[in-house]
Amino acid sequence: DSGVTQTPKHLITATGQRVTLRCSPRSGDLSVYWYQQSLDQGLQFLIQYYNGEERAKGNILERFSAQQFPDLHSELNLSSLELGDSALYFCASSVGRGVDTEAFFGQGTRLTVV
Amino acid sequence: GQQLNQSPQSMFIQEGEDVSMNCTSSSIFNTWLWYKQDPGEGPVLLIALYKAGELTSNGRLTAQFGITRKDSFLNISASIPSDVGIYFCAGPTNTGNQFYFGTGTSLTVIP
Repeated sequence: DSGVTQTPKHLITATGQRVTLRCSPRSGDLSVYWYQQSLDQGLQFLIQYYNGEERAKGNILERFSAQQFPDLHSELNLSSLELGDSALYFCASSVGRGVDTEAFFGQGTRLTVV
Repeated sequence: GQQLNQSPQSMFIQEGEDVSMNCTSSSIFNTWLWYKQDPGEGPVLLIALYKAGELTSNGRLTAQFGITRKDSFLNISASIPSDVGIYFCAGPTNTGNQFYFGTGTSLTVIP
């Protein structure tokens, strides 16, 4: 158990809908990262938050947004969902601010868009 | 965007054999991380490397940060069935604001 908790574990929704994925980082970790893993794209870094502020941005679509709350949990919002958004979404957390610090991953949320 | 290429893409080996895999990039990396992912699970950090030329071990695993800072190697000695999984290299660009995972090496260990 990495200490990073993601909910829900599975999500099935229709195209055009909006969903929210939730992540609780390890105790003491200030950074939260979001990743998307699909068969054709591999693991793609989406975004990082550090202590409530956006720190780094990767290949995140405009239809996607994230935030980190004062209690350090984070949410990833995916809107106007398309079939191609079906993937595993991972959250990771680390103590440090830089993206080169060692991150611990949650078990992921499997999103299926039908 | 940046791509970390891993080879081989997949490996099928007998239990007890040693394994070598590598990761190459067209850009310089300041940090190399090696992760293992089991089916249905998130990646788990195995080894972190922070200096060019650094050689680090974690049990039967040994990883090296290439001198050019554009590659890294992971070796597993005396493989066992629980080594099965997908191994990823990963790291930030030297600007530090993007993080990339490699294409992965899938390892199958035959008992």
